[in-house]
Amino acid sequence: DAEITQSPRHKITETGRQVTLACHQTWNHNNMFWYRQDLGHGLRLIHYSYGVQDTNKGEVSDGYSVSRSNTEDLPLTLESAASSQTSVYFCASSESWDRAYEQYFGPGTRLTVT
Amino acid sequence: GDSVTQMEGPVTLSEEAFLTINCTYTATGYPSLFWYVQYPGEGLQLLLKATKADDKGSNKGFEATYRKETTSFHLEKGSVQVSDSAVYFCALKTDSWGKLQFGAGTQVVVTP
Repeated sequence: DAEITQSPRHKITETGRQVTLACHQTWNHNNMFWYRQDLGHGLRLIHYSYGVQDTNKGEVSDGYSVSRSNTEDLPLTLESAASSQTSVYFCASSESWDRAYEQYFGPGTRLTVT
Repeated sequence: GDSVTQMEGPVTLSEEAFLTINCTYTATGYPSLFWYVQYPGEGLQLLLKATKADDKGSNKGFEATYRKETTSFHLEKGSVQVSDSAVYFCALKTDSWGKLQFGAGTQVVVTP
């Protein structure tokens, strides 16, 4: 069965360190998305990609970067982790040709920046 | 810009009670509308969707009707169970490229 996975599931890091969160999907979807979830804010879009070599900024992109070198993976990098980036991060993917298609979500990564 | 407004939670109910979660939206064009559910410790999963006015989405006893005249997509269930305790998100998508606009989420707690 197709799926979307994230790793690690839990991560503790120190302020100032670079951190990369992995996202891998086997749906062969063109679109991939990264969100963060914080109490009181719902889900906020960080970055998204509509295909290989395509990346776009979402509403809360400062301090984050992504790159898309193949269809299956969209790693999210925190260049210099800050305590404000403590959050739960979700990756999602979807097909691109119809607005009726939903997004499929990974299980999430809980990141703590100390 | 596009936006989704959901009723604030938490909503606390007894088992077998009727559940309604209000969702209204603002969008240009003709959005598709979604309800996602997040069980504790898990990612979001699609609960139901509707793609045009007057469509009714349904799944697992939940229903929501796309009301263009009131720009609403309220979620309802006639008899909730403890297992329905979760956070529910209303979302819309206005283009084929797939970006979703989420509401803030509503936590539902069902007690025995």
